Amino acid sequence: GENVEQHPSTLSVQEGDSAVIKCTYSDSASNYFPWYKQELGKRPQLIIDIRSNVGEKKDQRIAVTLNKTAKHFSLHITETQPEDSAVYFCAASKKDSSYKLIFGSGTRLLVRP
Amino acid sequence: NAGVTQTPKFRILKIGQSMTLQCTQDMNHNYMYWYRQDPGMGLKLIYYSVGAGITDKGEVPNGYNVSRSTTEDFPLRLELAAPSQTSVYFCASSPTAGQGSQDTEAFFGQGTRLTVV
Repeated sequence: GENVEQHPSTLSVQEGDSAVIKCTYSDSASNYFPWYKQELGKRPQLIIDIRSNVGEKKDQRIAVTLNKTAKHFSLHITETQPEDSAVYFCAASKKDSSYKLIFGSGTRLLVRP
Repeated sequence: NAGVTQTPKFRILKIGQSMTLQCTQDMNHNYMYWYRQDPGMGLKLIYYSVGAGITDKGEVPNGYNVSRSTTEDFPLRLELAAPSQTSVYFCASSPTAGQGSQDTEAFFGQGTRLTVV
């Protein structure tokens, strides 16, 4: 089955700097890659996603890139703000009968004021 | 729309007890999922369902059972609770491809924090 690895497990950046989180996946049939943000004690919420027919997608300060050949995708957050502090999860799924998401282990991002 | 609703929010169980975690969604989504999240860890898929009457095992199904008699409801049953089942449980749902513009976004409930002592 699918396996998703995520790095780093923790990331501390100064406010205003950029943050990059990387994930690799094992199943070449996977074609949907969302990123979720989870604040302490809250539910995961989708912040951005990308499909395998696209190499890059951007939404204001966040962007995701996908390299299908290498089977990895990354989340980029620019001009980080203290409210970006949270745990970020990548995930992968494929258009079989279930769209079930397999998650990475998470990255705890701390943005220092 | 209320989205995905889970009950209870918190529960303490004794070893060997059983309970059912309730999950209901009002978005008419065909796909529903149960995940567990251990402290400081990612989400692991327990069971999923692609429609009423259809369920399948995920990554960590042992010790759990599910049923899907209606589109709206997807309860998770714990039999003979064990300390290893102490976790936060999240239910999620997503639409069938084509139902919406973001046809694979998963919406999560607020979670059930379960402690087995």
